[in-house]
Amino acid sequence: EDQVTQSPEALRLQEGESSSLNCSYTVSGLRGLFWYRQDPGKGPEFLFTLYSAGEEKEKERLKATLTKKESFLHITAPKPEDSATYLCAVRLFSGGYNKLIFGAGTRLAVHP
Amino acid sequence: EPEVTQTPSHQVTQMGQEVILRCVPISNHLYFYWYRQILGQKVEFLVSFYNNEISEKSEIFDDQFSVERPDGSNFTLKIRSTKLEDSAMYFCASSTKATSGDSSTDTQYFGPGTRLTVL
Repeated sequence: EDQVTQSPEALRLQEGESSSLNCSYTVSGLRGLFWYRQDPGKGPEFLFTLYSAGEEKEKERLKATLTKKESFLHITAPKPEDSATYLCAVRLFSGGYNKLIFGAGTRLAVHP
Repeated sequence: EPEVTQTPSHQVTQMGQEVILRCVPISNHLYFYWYRQILGQKVEFLVSFYNNEISEKSEIFDDQFSVERPDGSNFTLKIRSTKLEDSAMYFCASSTKATSGDSSTDTQYFGPGTRLTVL
């Protein structure tokens, strides 16, 4: 069964304390791994797409990386405004290439 | 910057009633999607729509649900005879293509959601 697992479920950081979020996947064929940010009561906001192992993308304090089995979202020197739930989603190669399968997310809280 | 919009932001209905959730996808996008998120749970795929027909649907998307693109800008999700367990956030999303290997065309952009409460 295709699965996406995110860890940790929740993470509390002090402002400036760098860390990484993990997204591991077991799917039959990957056609893209997506990172989204979700604020409470809002829709997922697109951050990054990664297509192949070894690929990296950066945006401000965020950097996403991809291996054959997992992706990391590295947060460097986070600020309180980075507090949100970070969602990982995969799109499959075989059959359902239109749909995204989401992980449960990591709730990040950054305290001043 | 273009964005997906959804109305209403919150819909309260009685069990057994029909509701229609509305979405305006990004104007040059061709693929449209509905997802839902029950409180505290994962975002789940419901249906994808292209060229005026459903291209894929999940097990959740049974005969109770239907989608339509009634005109050139709107995309709707109809839920007939709502149940308590239909209470959730419903998100519309759109993309230029289904899959292209190019994030500028195959990324799904999400709307702000409609919170559906079934009493």
